[in-house]
Amino acid sequence: DTGVSQNPRHKITKRGQNVTFRCDPISEHNRLYWYRQTLGQGPEFLTYFQNEAQLEKSRLLSDRFSAERPKGSFSTLEIQRTEQGDSAMYLCASSTPGPNTEAFFGQGTRLTVV
Amino acid sequence: DAKTTQPNSMESNEEEPVHLPCNHSTISGTDYIHWYRQLPSQGPEYVIHGLTSNVNNRMASLAIAEDRKSSTLILHRATLRDAAVYYCILRGNYGGATNKLIFGTGTLLAVQP
Repeated sequence: DTGVSQNPRHKITKRGQNVTFRCDPISEHNRLYWYRQTLGQGPEFLTYFQNEAQLEKSRLLSDRFSAERPKGSFSTLEIQRTEQGDSAMYLCASSTPGPNTEAFFGQGTRLTVV
Repeated sequence: DAKTTQPNSMESNEEEPVHLPCNHSTISGTDYIHWYRQLPSQGPEYVIHGLTSNVNNRMASLAIAEDRKSSTLILHRATLRDAAVYYCILRGNYGGATNKLIFGTGTLLAVQP
């Protein structure tokens, strides 16, 4: 297993277009998290999956954002009608259950909306 | 969500020890203290975590105060590759046991040659 993989690494899109990012977690991890990070800030929690169930969504996740994790494996994060304020690094992390475990992060997808 | 307080930035010289402090006065009994670091243009990387006792691993040591209201991450010999933002995070069972990590702004560590 090579860790958490995110694709694409970089995405430039025009305002108003839809974009989709993919995250492949570590295979035995049933927990998957999405975060967003803007320059100079720490990552902000967006949403969480346990297996295929999306169990928590942050208020940051507007109705233009949707995330899925079909079959409890990879996950996708879609942003519809992108805005310039969506420009950020989108990070995915996975872990096994419990607070006594480490989370593994991917390298992130850098989104630039022009 | 329990909050942590860290200095915005610190400096160290190469090959010297570094002590990165973190205050978490509102920690609950079941919160684990986690440290992650983030190098430029990369995702966060796990460093170490603990509950009550001091912890050591190949990357660092974690010293936890007896009352658990503060902790210190110790890098025994800083290298240039240790220059990063270090985040101190409490990981507990919040909101349905998601165990999500709540990041602050962390400490930017600069290492001088």
